[in-house]
Amino acid sequence: AQSVSQHNHHVILSEAASLELGCNYSYGGTVNLFWYVQYPGQHLQLLLKYFSGDPLVKGIKGFEAEFIKSKFSFNLRKPSVQWSDTAEYFCAVTNDYKLSFGAGTTVTVRA
Amino acid sequence: EAGVAQSPRYKIIEKRQSVAFWCNPISGHATLYWYQQILGQGPKLLIQFQNNGVVDDSQLPKDRFSAERLKGVDSTLKIQPAKLEDSAVYLCASSLSDGGNEKLFFGSGTQLSVL
Repeated sequence: AQSVSQHNHHVILSEAASLELGCNYSYGGTVNLFWYVQYPGQHLQLLLKYFSGDPLVKGIKGFEAEFIKSKFSFNLRKPSVQWSDTAEYFCAVTNDYKLSFGAGTTVTVRA
Repeated sequence: EAGVAQSPRYKIIEKRQSVAFWCNPISGHATLYWYQQILGQGPKLLIQFQNNGVVDDSQLPKDRFSAERLKGVDSTLKIQPAKLEDSAVYLCASSLSDGGNEKLFFGSGTQLSVL
């Protein structure tokens, strides 16, 4: 069965620090990759997605993610976080049209 | 654009009772999903509809869970009877199609507590 692994359960950092969240998946075939974000009190929303082409994908709010096929990874990055980036971040992968989520990483940004 | 609507927002029941959740997807979205999110875990797909047909219900505990989308628009998810381990947030999402690369739009969820 396909699985999605997020390495960090909780990340705490200060404003202006750089952020990188790890995501690995187990399926070896063609996949579509997503990062979703859930801000406090809000619903899940799409941050960015990768289907094909340039493996470096840029999303909203200064986030980007890099697909490394050989490592089965799709790590999320942001060079300089803000307090408003405090949220829970979910990596998700589709194969055969079924979307599977990782367990999520809670990011807390201290002002 | 109106988002995905879910109700109720919260529900508290005792074990062995029944409960139902309602979802109205974004207008024009053919695909509707129900996810279960247990505290500390990522959302787990329970069932996926394409219009009024079931695409995937492989992770739906069919002995107690049921879902329908009779007219291909809104949907209900039912649990009968509920168990303690069913305590979770039940998320409804919709997308234009089920192409696998579609953006999902999520509702706010129904938080279920089974006592």
